[in-house]
Amino acid sequence: EPEVTQTPSHQVTQMGQEVILRCVPISNHLYFYWYRQILGQKVEFLVSFYNNEISEKSEIFDDQFSVERPDGSNFTLKIRSTKLEDSAMYFCASRREAGSGSTDTQYFGPGTRLTVL
Amino acid sequence: TQLLEQSPQFLSIQEGENLTVYCNSSSVFSSLQWYRQEPGEGPVLLVTVVTGGEVKKLKRLTFQFGDARKDSSLHITAAQPGDTGLYLCAGARNFNKFYFGSGTKLNVKP
Repeated sequence: EPEVTQTPSHQVTQMGQEVILRCVPISNHLYFYWYRQILGQKVEFLVSFYNNEISEKSEIFDDQFSVERPDGSNFTLKIRSTKLEDSAMYFCASRREAGSGSTDTQYFGPGTRLTVL
Repeated sequence: TQLLEQSPQFLSIQEGENLTVYCNSSSVFSSLQWYRQEPGEGPVLLVTVVTGGEVKKLKRLTFQFGDARKDSSLHITAAQPGDTGLYLCAGARNFNKFYFGSGTKLNVKP
């Protein structure tokens, strides 16, 4: 069964460093998302992406964050200068198409645990 | 701002009991999804409801979307230890942005 994959599974970085989190969405999916989940807290929406541009972003997704689909398979989240409070689990998700169909499913990857020291 | 409130936060019950988890908001959503998340893993979608008043069943799980599309409930009949996990609801105003609730941690004791 196709699945969303994410690398690395765990990233440790120093405060102020840039990190790139990588995701490979399911191949025929068109809509991509990044979420984060700080330990013990709820899942928070960061950004959605369609047709090579951002569809929507949250207030968390400031100038320090960027997303890119550099080729036909990868979807990346870059944090330019990491802060301690960026430590969290970051989840990528993809869906085939948007619409009112109730069978449309958002598939989540296993996540990347980012630790900022 | 907590757009979606889930209750209860924690629930510990015996195997065989029934339970209901609630997801409430003052906002209207075009759709609402329920997920289950295991520790260290990503959320897994259980169901999407889109029509006010809609009821969906998934084996022993029954999901309902409120008539006004502001709230939802998840009812589990005859809970089993395998149902243990974190249950999340997420509302969408369109399919570009999802708001997650804080989750209900369910523990079913054998």
